[in-house]
Amino acid sequence: DTGVSQDPRHKITKRGQNVTFRCDPISEHNRLYWYRQTLGQGPEFLTYFQNEAQLEKSRLLSDRFSAERPKGSFSTLEIQRTEQGDSAMYLCASSAYPQETQYFGPGTRLLVL
Amino acid sequence: EDQVTQSPEALRLQEGESSSLNCSYTVSGLRGLFWYRQDPGKGPEFLFTLYSAGEEKEKERLKATLTKKESFLHITAPKPEDSATYLCAVQSTSGGYNKLIFGAGTRLAVHP
Repeated sequence: DTGVSQDPRHKITKRGQNVTFRCDPISEHNRLYWYRQTLGQGPEFLTYFQNEAQLEKSRLLSDRFSAERPKGSFSTLEIQRTEQGDSAMYLCASSAYPQETQYFGPGTRLLVL
Repeated sequence: EDQVTQSPEALRLQEGESSSLNCSYTVSGLRGLFWYRQDPGKGPEFLFTLYSAGEEKEKERLKATLTKKESFLHITAPKPEDSATYLCAVQSTSGGYNKLIFGAGTRLAVHP
């Protein structure tokens, strides 16, 4: 059990550019979650996958955000036309049904200049 | 609306000085309450899950308890390595597939 991994760990981009993050969940975990965390706040839910199906998406998530989990294993989160307000830590978590506990990765810290 | 409030926002303790962190929650139905520890620049690390009022869990110097409206994280004789942000989160039985709703956290600093 190697834990949840995320890549890259840090990303600096200019406003208007597209960025993509990758998450590899704990092997055999069929549920995968994306959260966003800003300084001084707790993580905020973005979206959830069960296997390859995206079952929930936060109303706070704009159309510039898209997530995929094509084969029910790793997942990608893409942000198009980045804005300075997108600067945050993007966290991925996974869990295995029927366990409710979500295990988090180290996060990807995004800075939009 | 489901909501989690943690207090205090920050806490400074001397090594060995025991204290408690509070997590108050409002949910239509509680599926589970979770405590995580987060070190600067890292992802949250799972500590405990509590499911029903009266339940308690312990791990080393930490003990988590749950009532119908709040949870406490008791820290006994803390050490400097316990310094971190402690996050509380809930899962609600209404709406959403197991998403966690987090509080803003309590930043704990333990000084020698």
